[in-house]
Amino acid sequence: AQKITQTQPGMFVQEKEAVTLDCTYDTSDPSYGLFWYKQPSSGEMIFLIYQGSYDQQNATEGRYSLNFQKARKSANLVISASQLGDSAMYFCAMREGGRYGGSQGNLIFGKGTKLSVKP
Amino acid sequence: GAGVSQSPSNKVTEKGKDVELRCDPISGHTALYWYRQSLGQGLEFLIYFQGNSAPDKSGLPSDRFSAERTGGSVSTLTIQRTQQEDSAVYLCASSLTSGRNMRAEETQYFGPGTRLLVL
Repeated sequence: AQKITQTQPGMFVQEKEAVTLDCTYDTSDPSYGLFWYKQPSSGEMIFLIYQGSYDQQNATEGRYSLNFQKARKSANLVISASQLGDSAMYFCAMREGGRYGGSQGNLIFGKGTKLSVKP
Repeated sequence: GAGVSQSPSNKVTEKGKDVELRCDPISGHTALYWYRQSLGQGLEFLIYFQGNSAPDKSGLPSDRFSAERTGGSVSTLTIQRTQQEDSAVYLCASSLTSGRNMRAEETQYFGPGTRLLVL
């Protein structure tokens, strides 16, 4: 079974509007972290935002916020006021704490969502 | 401060040759990760170092792949007798710590990658 699912291969958004990128995850580890990364066409993987499984509040970083719904196992990324420079691939990733073994601390990635911002 | 650096940025080699890929993590980061990104396979975890040791090498795709880390800093990924299916972008990441209780310090920061093409 896939541990990270991103169901939107591609998304379009109008400049200055908000957009939500979906991510669901699957783990039985009580301690885990969820991450979003942006990968522009240049190829570098840029860290955007982090949410820990025990965090009480949703994470926010500037125009990025993470809508964390633990019971639903979802961690959607919300980008407010989209800019042309936001056009890129976006990856949701999970790192399991490994309390029950089996984790080396590596990130498990979804297949990504390609976001295109229209002027 | 300086981020993760990787060299070379691009490498073209002939099938059967050996290649070495280098990663210089963020200063003070104890954990280092290698991933591979290819069109068909998405982002694939290869190996993880805590300090100089790699507890589990089972993520390496074949015994032609090896990796080492010296002085708790620079890491080298070596591919012997390269094959065309080794063509991919090899990404290195580092994090401040890597433990079983998930914290923001576990965030992995990526380098720009090495694009390997095997002809």
